[in-house]
Amino acid sequence: GAVVSQHPSWVICKSGTSVKIECRSLDFQATTMFWYRQFPKQSLMLMATSNEGSKATYEQGVEKDKFLINHASLTLSTLTVTSAHPEDSSFYICSARGAGGQEQYFGPGTRLTVT
Amino acid sequence: RKEVEQDPGPFNVPEGATVAFNCTYSNSASQSFFWYRQDCRKEPKLLMSVYSSGNEDGRFTAQLNRASQYISLLIRDSKLSDSATYLCVVRPGNTPLVFGKGTRLSVIA
Repeated sequence: GAVVSQHPSWVICKSGTSVKIECRSLDFQATTMFWYRQFPKQSLMLMATSNEGSKATYEQGVEKDKFLINHASLTLSTLTVTSAHPEDSSFYICSARGAGGQEQYFGPGTRLTVT
Repeated sequence: RKEVEQDPGPFNVPEGATVAFNCTYSNSASQSFFWYRQDCRKEPKLLMSVYSSGNEDGRFTAQLNRASQYISLLIRDSKLSDSATYLCVVRPGNTPLVFGKGTRLSVIA
């Protein structure tokens, strides 16, 4: 299957700082990328959907000014958690889908801990 | 009502046992159905798609009942390596995947 990478795989940051997470599709062009968040023992919750070159569409309850998403190329999307707080500590997973494709390919996830 | 509901478990079964997971979904417009597997602290991985006619992949059998909005996964001859969380996933049209909370399985020697 297609390969999606995420970087970093884990990060610890101090409260009030910003963290950028990168998601790359390595062997296909991802026209659409999805960002999910998963708290312990909870399901993956969709945060936002981004199409290459367009503004991201955020799910209800997700602050677009706090979670900045950039999808400037067909192989890279970034999620920046601005002014992180301990409650933002979670497992962030990106997923990518190619043009006309049905399947979403998942990155390995980034575990964020805000102290 | 949650979009995708699953029994959270945990299911603790001995090696060799047969175990079944159930899932219901609320959006009748859902068109695609999947079972994913997620290991602890890892991303979900596609286990199998689910078709109306039912489908089998080795020890795994998936069934879909559109009228009841019900999906099932049967695992035969459980292995220790089957221990994981199994996620029921639906896609209502050309939209992102919607995940259930998952059912945790522990296969015990």
